[in-house]
Amino acid sequence: SYVLTQPPSVSVAPGKTARIPCGGNGIGSKSVHWYQQKPGQAPVLVIYSDNDRPSGIPERFSGSNSGNTATLAISRVEAGDEADYYCQVWDYSSDHLYVFGTGTTVTVL
Amino acid sequence: QVQLQESGPGLVKPSQTLSLTCTVSGGSISSGSYYWSWIRQPAGKGLEWIGRIYTSGSTNYSPSLKSRVTISLDTSKNHFSLKLSSVTAADTAMYYCARVGQHGFNPFDSWGQGTLVTVSS
Repeated sequence: SYVLTQPPSVSVAPGKTARIPCGGNGIGSKSVHWYQQKPGQAPVLVIYSDNDRPSGIPERFSGSNSGNTATLAISRVEAGDEADYYCQVWDYSSDHLYVFGTGTTVTVL
Repeated sequence: QVQLQESGPGLVKPSQTLSLTCTVSGGSISSGSYYWSWIRQPAGKGLEWIGRIYTSGSTNYSPSLKSRVTISLDTSKNHFSLKLSSVTAADTAMYYCARVGQHGFNPFDSWGQGTLVTVSS
C-alpha cells in the first residue's frame, strides 16, 4: 500500500514560517490534502487539492506538491497554530483508497 | 453547514461487536454527491481510514479491517452506521465519521467530533 512519511515534529519561532514535508513515491501526481488537529479535537481541513484553502482558513496556510514531496507551509506562525498536521491522498491503485501521513506535531517556541 | 455526530457505547468487551452511528444534520445523506466514511485514531497515534458508503449503499473497506467491518446507511433517519466485529484491545480508539466528496481526489471536508471506544472486559 501507499505510504506517506512525515517528520514527527517541527519547531518554529513565532512569526516565522513552518514547513511540513509529506513524502510519498510520486506524490506530485496525486492531489494532497492537509488536516490540522488540535488536542482533544477532530481534524480540520486546512488545504485541499495541493494548495487550495477552504473558506475560513487564513491565507497564512499554503501548500505545494512536486516530485516525491508535498509541503504545507504556515507563514507568520502564531501560538494558535500548535497542532498535529496530517497529509492525505487518494490511492486509486490499491484498496486502501484513503491514505493518511504519519502526522507532524508543530511546536511554537 | 453540514454537521456530523457520532454516538454509541463507549465500552465494548473483547470479542464483541462495536456499533456506532453517525447522524448527519444540515444536509441530506442521500444527496448523491458524497461518500460517508469512518476513520479511527488510537490514542497518541495517527489517522486510519476504516471504510466508506455511498448513497446507493455501495461500500469500500480498508483491506486490513475488511473481514470485520460493515457500514450501512439509513436514509430515513439520515444516519449511517459502523459495525466492527470480534474486537480486541487494538480496536480501542477515537472513532470519527466524516464526509468525503464522490470523486477520489476530494478531501474529508466535514468531521464529527469523535467518540472514544474502549475495548476492555
